[in-house]
Amino acid sequence: NAGVTQTPKFQVLKTGQSMTLQCAQDMNHNSMYWYRQDPGMGLRLIYYSASEGTTDKGEVPNGYNVSRLNKREFSLRLESAAPSQTSVYFCASRDLGLGYGYTFGSGTRLTVV
Amino acid sequence: GENVEQHPSTLSVQEGDSAVIKCTYSDSASNYFPWYKQELGKGPQLIIDIRSNVGEKKDQRIAVTLNKTAKHFSLHITETQPEDSAVYFCAAAGRAAGNKLTFGGGTRVLVKP
Repeated sequence: NAGVTQTPKFQVLKTGQSMTLQCAQDMNHNSMYWYRQDPGMGLRLIYYSASEGTTDKGEVPNGYNVSRLNKREFSLRLESAAPSQTSVYFCASRDLGLGYGYTFGSGTRLTVV
Repeated sequence: GENVEQHPSTLSVQEGDSAVIKCTYSDSASNYFPWYKQELGKGPQLIIDIRSNVGEKKDQRIAVTLNKTAKHFSLHITETQPEDSAVYFCAAAGRAAGNKLTFGGGTRVLVKP
């Protein structure tokens, strides 16, 4: 049981480049989330998908787009990367039937130069 | 929306001593309060949680207390060990916010042998 898998683990982009961060969960969870983690600022919600077929903005959505490809997969896209998007990105999933606990992936460390 | 504040931002304790981390929240409708532990290079992992109908919960060396009137909750770690060194996050969620977690800024705990 792999839980939540994120790829890639590390990435360096040049300003203006685009990329997609991949996330997949094998726990049959309904809800999936993308957070970014910056020093001293905790985890901030970028986008989430309460269920397959739906996506909503979180606290810091500007500069990002998401796709809930199917129940398992939730991707985060940076169309034109900026240095302010240098961060560690975490994907998480949750099943309502198990209460509110989130399962997190191991993160993607992104540097934009 | 919900706002969660966490103190202190860093905490250094001697092995065997106790560590206490405190959080306050703003939304009186929040009813779920988890705590996560994040080790270096890994995603946050749920270590304990509490719901609003309970004032205290304990699991071996860790305990969480909740004061709904004052809107604050705390994590207590007793008999600290070097493997307790990590970053700890508190969070809050409620149905009014779609059960999305709002995180505190994190506490870096260092247990000195």
